[in-house]
Formats: sequence, structure tokens, C-alpha cells
Amino acid sequence: AQSVTQLDSQVPVFEEAPVELRCNYSSSVSVYLFWYVQYPNQGLQLLLKYLSGSTLVESINGFEAEFNKSQTSFHLRKPSVHISDTAEYFCAVSDRDSGAGSYQLTFGKGTKLSVIP
Amino acid sequence: GAGVSQSPRYKVAKRGQDVALRCDPISGHVSLFWYQQALGQGPEFLTYFQNEAQLDKSGLPSDRFFAERPEGSVSTLKIQRTQQEDSAVYLCASSLVRTGRYEQYFGPGTRLTVT
Repeated sequence: AQSVTQLDSQVPVFEEAPVELRCNYSSSVSVYLFWYVQYPNQGLQLLLKYLSGSTLVESINGFEAEFNKSQTSFHLRKPSVHISDTAEYFCAVSDRDSGAGSYQLTFGKGTKLSVIP
Repeated sequence: GAGVSQSPRYKVAKRGQDVALRCDPISGHVSLFWYQQALGQGPEFLTYFQNEAQLDKSGLPSDRFFAERPEGSVSTLKIQRTQQEDSAVYLCASSLVRTGRYEQYFGPGTRLTVT
């Protein structure tokens, strides 16, 4: 069984300030890690993912996340946020090796990022 | 190309009614997932299809929930005798890869309100 904990349900931050959205997971097996973003009245969009290799992954719009195996964390960071980053962010994991099963995602409860002008 | 589409976007049902929610995955995508997202929560897995085969339905909350994908493309999630606790956003996701690993593409969801 897996679980994902997003420690902050809401994060307000001023425009151009840095932000960190925290994500911790629990799993008895190796995992893939994802961050999804959900804008109002829209579906989930993949922001970035960790599958293997470098533990630091980046998105095209300036977000980055670092996989820390010892701390079982995958925190999301951005050095300078924009108004357009206002959205809900979900951390998710899936089994790396689920045998004949599927790689369904297990999500955290989400963090609402509000960027203040 | 077109993304995952879902219809209807909003559905209001009286308690006890049956509802059917449709998902059109990205063309050629083998894997299809259904998730349920309650208010203030993250999405939770319901069921998974590989082509037309339903390989995992462990997340369906009761036998009132039924999903099908008869031709390996469009999928329908049916809820019989709806209850208030069924009120949620139902998300569909598809993936090119057989198992859905690496990346899933989500539709906009259907918001179901049971009154």
C-alpha cells in the first residue's frame, strides 16, 4: 500500500517570491513520482515526473522537484512565482514494479497555491 | 491532437437515479483509468482498462459502480441507484503505454451532484 502526504493544504505567496510545496510518500516498493497541476475547471496536467536517473527534475515553466529517497520526499519548488501559477498542485506516486497490475496513481490531497499580486 | 474528453461536464441526479459518464481517450491510447475526486481531496483510483479488458476494478466502491470499454476506445462509467456520497468529480485518464506507467493524460472530469 502507498500513501502520499502533502503537508500544506493552502500556501499563499507574494508574486516573484520563492515557493516550496512539500510532498512525502510512504511505500513498501520503489515508486515513480509525479506532480500534477489543476487550474480551475480544468483537468489535471502533468507538471513533472521522476522515473529514474537524476534526482532533480525540472518543468518547462520553472518548477523543479528533487527526489530524496532517504527522506521519502519529492518537494516542488519555484524560485519566483507568477500570478499564473495560482492553481492546485497534486503530488502522486505509482509502483515502479507492479507485476501484472496497472500503474494507477496514488494522490495526495493537494496544495492550493495562491499568488498574491 | 485532441486530448481526453469527458461528457457530460456536469450532471445533477436525484438520489436513486442511474447515471452514465463517458470518456473519450486520446486516440491510440491503450490504457484507460477512472478516478473519483471528492471535494477537497485528491483523486482516488476506481478502475483500469487495457484495451477492452478491465484488469483492475479494486477501487470501485460498491457493486453499484460499473465500467466498460467494449471496443477498446470509449469508456463508460455507470453508477446505479445514485447516493449522495457519490457526489464527486469523476476523472478519466489515458496512457499510450500498456500499463499506464510513466504518464497519464487526464480529461476535464464530470462533476456529479446527487440531490
